[in-house]
Amino acid sequence: DVKVTQSSRYLVKRTGEKVFLECVQDMDHENMFWYRQDPGLGLRLIYFSYDVKMKEKGDIPEGYSVSREKKERFSLILESASTNQTSMYLCASSRNEKLFFGSGTQLSVL
Amino acid sequence: DQQVKQNSPSLSVQEGRISILNCDYTNSMFDYFLWYKKYPAEGPTFLISISSIKDKNEDGRFTVFLNKSAKHLSLHIVPSQPGDSAVYFCAASWGTSGSRLTFGEGTQLTVNP
Repeated sequence: DVKVTQSSRYLVKRTGEKVFLECVQDMDHENMFWYRQDPGLGLRLIYFSYDVKMKEKGDIPEGYSVSREKKERFSLILESASTNQTSMYLCASSRNEKLFFGSGTQLSVL
Repeated sequence: DQQVKQNSPSLSVQEGRISILNCDYTNSMFDYFLWYKKYPAEGPTFLISISSIKDKNEDGRFTVFLNKSAKHLSLHIVPSQPGDSAVYFCAASWGTSGSRLTFGEGTQLTVNP
């Protein structure tokens, strides 16, 4: 079974802090994604990557950046956390259209 | 703009009856559609998919119907079970987008015993 592991289940950070969310997949998938889930808005794509060192902006990239130094690891970075970035963050990997998701990180920015 | 829309935030059905979840899309380039299920505190899991060359795909209790002319798809669950209670997301992609999916807002399904 594909395993996508997100490093933290819950995080509490202060406004202005730099935040790192880590994601690791064990199935040698080329594609990795970061989504955020908010009530009434569904899942919105922040950034994605089709290969190592590659990154593409999704639908809501503002305030975020990403890093993919190794194929299995995809990191989401909040450069200066703000309260409107309080959300559930979901990492996913895939080889085709079928995405496999991690359990999510609930981030609260105070 | 919301290219994939699930207009019902919630749906409640009795155990054993049919659950019908609906999804509309606006982008005519979408050619592959998926449904995901999400339990609280877990990531979404793939449930069933359909290509635009088909109008129906069935997997056990789950059937997805696609009406391309209406840009509408639906997920039927028969019979519904309490364990089906979850949030269901509709998603879509098109050829050149690879595995980049556009998701709907989700529908909370509650199946009452």
